[in-house]
Amino acid sequence: SQKIEQNSEALNIQEGKTATLTCNYTNYSPAYLQWYRQDPGRGPVFLLLIRENEKEKRKERLKVTFDTTLKQSLFHITASQPADSATYLCAFHGSGNTGKLIFGQGTTLQVKP
Amino acid sequence: SAVISQKPSRDICQRGTSLTIQCQVDSQVTMMFWYRQQPGQSLTLIATANQGSEATYESGFVIDKFPISRPNLTFSTLTVSNMSPEDSSIYLCSVENTGASTDTQYFGPGTRLTVL
Repeated sequence: SQKIEQNSEALNIQEGKTATLTCNYTNYSPAYLQWYRQDPGRGPVFLLLIRENEKEKRKERLKVTFDTTLKQSLFHITASQPADSATYLCAFHGSGNTGKLIFGQGTTLQVKP
Repeated sequence: SAVISQKPSRDICQRGTSLTIQCQVDSQVTMMFWYRQQPGQSLTLIATANQGSEATYESGFVIDKFPISRPNLTFSTLTVSNMSPEDSSIYLCSVENTGASTDTQYFGPGTRLTVL
């Protein structure tokens, strides 16, 4: 079955450093991947989308890469800040169904001042 | 963008009872989605609700346990029936970002359900 995996261990980094989160997928070749941010007690908020023909996508301090050979997406936050502390989820659409998103379990990022 | 509200934000319920969760969107949307997020787990789609038709349920979810209503283009309800402690979870509704060329979604704040 289609599966998407993220590091379940929390990532702790120092303020100002670059955070890198990993998303791996199996048994599927999605046309695009999405990244969401989720704060405690809130629903996920869409951040970035990258298509299979795009190697890299940037938005302010965020950068996403998509390697269809490795079946992997990397999510980078440069010059990280304590306000970036949250859980980050990657997701893609399952085959055949518009709107059905398959989510990874999320990686919690903690940025320490 | 779409603004989504959910009621209640949280509840503590007794085993065997039912809870209905409401989802209100500030604009008309065709499809609404209901997800479950169990503690420490990823979001899992329960069902897709289209206005004017029966909801489409994902594998492992059935209408008797999770009846859904979609009376108009801005509102939906999800009922968690005959609850057990295993139903303790966060329940989220979402809608598609129809203004985009791809299927990103807006999510409500979620309803945190605890079943004793």
